[in-house]
Amino acid sequence: AQSVTQLGSHVSVSEGALVLLRCNYSSSVPPYLFWYVQYPNQGLQLLLKYTSAATLVKGINGFEAEFKKSETSFHLTKPSAHMSDAAEYFCAVSSNFGNEKLTFGTGTRLTIIP
Amino acid sequence: DSGVTQTPKHLITATGQRVTLRCSPRSGDLSVYWYQQSLDQGLQFLIQYYNGEERAKGNILERFSAQQFPDLHSELNLSSLELGDSALYFCASSVDGPDTQYFGPGTRLTVL
Repeated sequence: AQSVTQLGSHVSVSEGALVLLRCNYSSSVPPYLFWYVQYPNQGLQLLLKYTSAATLVKGINGFEAEFKKSETSFHLTKPSAHMSDAAEYFCAVSSNFGNEKLTFGTGTRLTIIP
Repeated sequence: DSGVTQTPKHLITATGQRVTLRCSPRSGDLSVYWYQQSLDQGLQFLIQYYNGEERAKGNILERFSAQQFPDLHSELNLSSLELGDSALYFCASSVDGPDTQYFGPGTRLTVL
């Protein structure tokens, strides 16, 4: 079975500060890892994904994440927060080997303080 | 715009009723996934279809069923609705395999 744990259901950062959203995964097979963002009353938009290529993955809107197998982590970062980054962020895991469904974490709501 | 469309956007109905949610995947995508998002359960996978065939099942209740038609659009049928079925229902599509799933805007179901 696969699972992800997102530490911190709510994170607040000041505008211009570093954003760090934490995600740890559990998987018995090589994982595929994703970060999605959900703005209020909207669907989920892919920020970035890891599919066993480069361990440092760059996504849209200045976000990036690093896959660390030894720590089973896939934390999301952005050097400088912008007001428009306020949203809910979901980490998700899937894999090949006939297990393509996404298993999501519980989400982290990011608030940006002006 | 992800290219995945879902109708209707909002649905309000009563307990015991039956509703059908519709999803049209992105052009060329063969896989359709259904997810439920609720406050207490979070985002949960319900079911996956690939090119018309059921491929995987998740936490889908027996009162719920789905199908994928030859034109690849999919419908999720929810029957004998209960208050606890109130949620956002998302459809996602992908070409194949565990690659990027593109999500539709969702259908918000309210059961009164």
